[in-house]
Amino acid sequence: DAKTTQPPSMDCAEGRAANLPCNHSTISGNEYVYWYRQIHSQGPQYIIHGLKNNETNEMASLIITEDRKSSTLILPHATLRDTAVYYCIVSPTNFGNEKLTFGTGTRLTIIP
Amino acid sequence: GAVVSQHPSRVICKSGTSVKIECRSLDFQATTMFWYRQFPKKSLMLMATSNEGSKATYEQGVEKDKFLINHASLTLSTLTVTSAHPEDSSFYICSARAGTGIRAASNQPQHFGDGTRLSIL
Repeated sequence: DAKTTQPPSMDCAEGRAANLPCNHSTISGNEYVYWYRQIHSQGPQYIIHGLKNNETNEMASLIITEDRKSSTLILPHATLRDTAVYYCIVSPTNFGNEKLTFGTGTRLTIIP
Repeated sequence: GAVVSQHPSRVICKSGTSVKIECRSLDFQATTMFWYRQFPKKSLMLMATSNEGSKATYEQGVEKDKFLINHASLTLSTLTVTSAHPEDSSFYICSARAGTGIRAASNQPQHFGDGTRLSIL
């Protein structure tokens, strides 16, 4: 019972910005939005997370709508190494050790 | 940043063998670690939550007597697949989160190991 909906696949040209959408219309007030990616045969890699404000780090930016029902992960300048499955996950409060429920994610392919 | 190490990265063994997988948090303490399993072309499925100093919490449908979890210290959790059979062949991944006690370190996400690919012949 994944709480998020993502497109199954997307393509993006190398060097362009990759915008990955995620719907989480049933998100609760105490739930954060987390983004992870998984490159083939590796463990998931943490990218970014946020509650309601937009966030940016060295890897990506996270844009969360005002009603928090959807978000977009932005990879500003996609490279071939960004080809991976990207998972959008909502999880309750940032405190404690709540488990993460993975959906099917978006398979992003960066095209040379 | 936080690093989680898994060992071994790959195991191939005969049916009936028991296999132990280690998950270590290298630069932080974790009272809770998580064990996932991933079959080919599928997403990660949580198997159990490993709690330091107490019994693990298993997800529905996961046999606790087959998948033994021990979390003896704040930096180490082990998963033992007992009497493994070919259907247990999978990619096993652990995760951990910085912080101790009930309230983990603020603003710390979970970090994952690189996984263990288990093949039972």
